[in-house]
Amino acid sequence: GENVEQHPSTLSVQEGDSAVIKCTYSDSASNYFPWYKQELGKRPQLIIDIRSNVGEKKDQRIAVTLNKTAKHFSLHITETQPEDSAVYFCAASTSNFNKFYFGSGTKLNVKP
Amino acid sequence: GAVVSQHPSWVICKSGTSVKIECRSLDFQATTMFWYRQFPKQSLMLMATSNEGSKATYEQGVEKDKFLINHASLTLSTLTVTSAHPEDSSFYICRETAFFGQGTRLTVV
Repeated sequence: GENVEQHPSTLSVQEGDSAVIKCTYSDSASNYFPWYKQELGKRPQLIIDIRSNVGEKKDQRIAVTLNKTAKHFSLHITETQPEDSAVYFCAASTSNFNKFYFGSGTKLNVKP
Repeated sequence: GAVVSQHPSWVICKSGTSVKIECRSLDFQATTMFWYRQFPKQSLMLMATSNEGSKATYEQGVEKDKFLINHASLTLSTLTVTSAHPEDSSFYICRETAFFGQGTRLTVV
């Protein structure tokens, strides 16, 4: 089955700096990769997703890159703000209607 | 986008009682609902997948008789924790397509 690994487990950055979170997956059949932000006690919120037919997707300060050959994808947050502090999860799936295989999460701390 | 409404957001129950959690699809009729459990500072653990009109598919290690899942209508899936014990205390959350419900914090005392 699919195995998703996520690094780092914790990440501290200064406000205004960039943050990068990386995930790898094992199943070449996976073609849908969502990213979630989860604040304490709340539901995971979809912040961006990418499908395997594109290599990069951007939404304001957030971008995701995908390397299908190497089976890894990354979340990039630029100009970080304290409100970006949360736990971020990556996931891999064959579609958003199917099982998601989640990474272990990255706790991002943005220091003001 | 799709919206999933989950209730209750939190519940406290006594050991031995049962608790029902509901997830309702509000504007997107998906036939599949995924149920997760999340322990503090951990990732989401898939418990089972429910499909409208059929039996749920449980992940390995999840007790079917303890975590009863019903998906009787296209828009409503329910998870019942039966004979709850303190170790069942956790955050339970459903997902439809790429969207999660609000989650339910269950505390068993």
